[in-house]
Parts: sequence; structure tokens; C-alpha cells
Amino acid sequence: QVQLQESGPGLVKPSETLSLTCSVSGGSISAYYWTWIRQPPGKGLEWIGYIHSSGSTHYNPSLKTRVTISVDTSTNHFSLNLRSVTAADTAVYYCARGVRRISVYYYYYMDVWGKGTTVTVSS
Amino acid sequence: QFVLTQPPSVSGAPGQRVTISCTGNSSNIGAGYEVHWYQQLPGTAPKLLIYGNNNRPSGVPDRFSGFMSGTSLSLAITGLQAEDEADYYCQSYDDSPSRWVFGGGTKLTVL
Repeated sequence: QVQLQESGPGLVKPSETLSLTCSVSGGSISAYYWTWIRQPPGKGLEWIGYIHSSGSTHYNPSLKTRVTISVDTSTNHFSLNLRSVTAADTAVYYCARGVRRISVYYYYYMDVWGKGTTVTVSS
Repeated sequence: QFVLTQPPSVSGAPGQRVTISCTGNSSNIGAGYEVHWYQQLPGTAPKLLIYGNNNRPSGVPDRFSGFMSGTSLSLAITGLQAEDEADYYCQSYDDSPSRWVFGGGTKLTVL
């Protein structure tokens, strides 16, 4: 059974870079879309982006200029870097496994989620 | 703010049926892109509930189902139980610009 676990600093200063890692255990990292989603306190979910095990990425246009997602298939980890953070980036950050129907680009959903990690942006 | 619109809250008594709608526009649901649903119990991560409009992952009770109603995709919960009290989110693809989006979420209260 695949399990995901987020890790990283719980506090980041404004203008700095938020860096999180997701560890994938119990299954292969190949052939899936490894995804980051966030949820500000008391609010809804926001899709940040994904990276396929092949290295291809797709980011939310609203965050694209600040986001990088990378994957290390040798260690079964993938990571999120979010640059120039502000208080608006304070949220619970979830990593998730994305599944896509073959040859149907838009048919994509997240079937396994990590428990989430809280990141606060504050000086 | 959210591209997909859900009612902020719904409620029902144990044993009743409730529905939660997810409404979009011509760049997402109206274009025929499938809708997926997630359940978020208090203090926990979201869990996949329905994928591809009306498919249940293994382990999800058949009390949960998805259906189309007019121009909206909806989630139905029958035989409401206290443990169903949670936030529910729909998710789909939006092509303008290209990204995946969630609804604002619906809080289900079991009376």
C-alpha cells in the first residue's frame, strides 16, 4: 500500500523559499503524476502542480513563476520549491499521487494523499 | 474565487439522502471534463471518493455516487451516517488556462 509523507520546515520567512519533500513508500514512483496541493487555514484546496516520473511538469499558472517540482526516482522522493513566499502562502501542504487515464490529458485525479504539513510564512 | 461552484453547506438527518452540486462553465465541466470528488474528515487529509463522475474506488461504500443534473455534476449520499460529516470537494480540469481546479468545498452536517 503506497504511503506518502511530507517533510520540511514549518516556518519560513517572507521573501524566502519554501522547500518540502514527499517520501513515497510501499510502491513505485514510476508512471504516476506526483502532485502538490495546498489548503490555507479554514479555506479550500488549491492545486499547485505535478511532476511525472519521466520529469515532465505542469504547474498552476497562478504560481508558475515561483514554483519548481522535482523528482528523484532513485530515492522515491519528490520535492516542492516555492520562491518569494508571502503570508498568503501559509497553508497545509499535501503531496499526492496523481493518476491519469491513458491518452486523456484532462482525466486526472489524486488517489493517495499524504497527511499534510503545515507551513507558516512569518518573520 | 473558485472556478467550480459548490454550496457552502448542506445538512441532513441520519438515514436521509443529500446531494452536493458542482457547477462550472464552458472551460471546465461544461466542456465535458470529468469531475472527481474528495471527502475531508475534520483534521485529516482529503480522500478520493468518486472519480470519473461516478466511479467509486475500492472501499468506498455504494452509499456515495455521482450523477449529472442539468449542467452540473453532483455527489449523492444516501443512508446518511454521522461519520459522513465532513467537507466535500469536487475537482476537474479547466482549459482556460490549462490547470486542474477544485470547488470551494461543501460542509456536510449530519443533524
